[in-house]
Amino acid sequence: DSGVTQTPKHLITATGQRVTLRCSPRSGDLSVYWYQQSLDQGLQFLIHYYNGEERAKGNILERFSAQQFPDLHSELNLSSLELGDSALYFCASSVGRERYEQYFGPGTRLTVT
Amino acid sequence: GIQVEQSPPDLILQEGANSTLRCNFSDSVNNLQWFHQNPWGQLINLFYIPSGTKQNGRLSATTVATERYSLLYISSSQTTDSGVYFCAVNKLTFGTGTQLKVEL
Repeated sequence: DSGVTQTPKHLITATGQRVTLRCSPRSGDLSVYWYQQSLDQGLQFLIHYYNGEERAKGNILERFSAQQFPDLHSELNLSSLELGDSALYFCASSVGRERYEQYFGPGTRLTVT
Repeated sequence: GIQVEQSPPDLILQEGANSTLRCNFSDSVNNLQWFHQNPWGQLINLFYIPSGTKQNGRLSATTVATERYSLLYISSSQTTDSGVYFCAVNKLTFGTGTQLKVEL
């Protein structure tokens, strides 16, 4: 158990809908990262928050947004869902801002039908 | 951006065999991690190793940052070692992984 929690574990929804994925980092970790793992794109970095502030963006679509709250948990919002958004979404956390080991949560498996 | 290449892409071993997985990267790194993704999809930290050598039981890893590669050694492999091994660098950029299957 990495100490990073993600909810829900599984999510099935229809095209055009909006969903919210939740992540709680390890105790003491200030950084939260989101990743998407799909069959054709592999594991891709989406976005990084440090202590409530956005630090870096990766291959995140405009239909997706995220935030980190004062209690350091984070939410990833996915809207206008398409079939191609079906994937495993991981959250990771680390202590520091840049140069620290990341620990991954169990992931949320999103299926868009 | 930085490119991360892993080899071999697929590997089949008999239980008890040893193996070496390689990760090449195209630029300098300040973070490097090795992960094992088990058949249930969970990403398990193996090593945080931006440089140097570390060992943990049957696993060890070496990163030679100046030559832009890292190696993961698995000794006396077990069926529970099956899964995909990823190298990831910096923030993180993942390689495409090595799919390992250990057979009895």
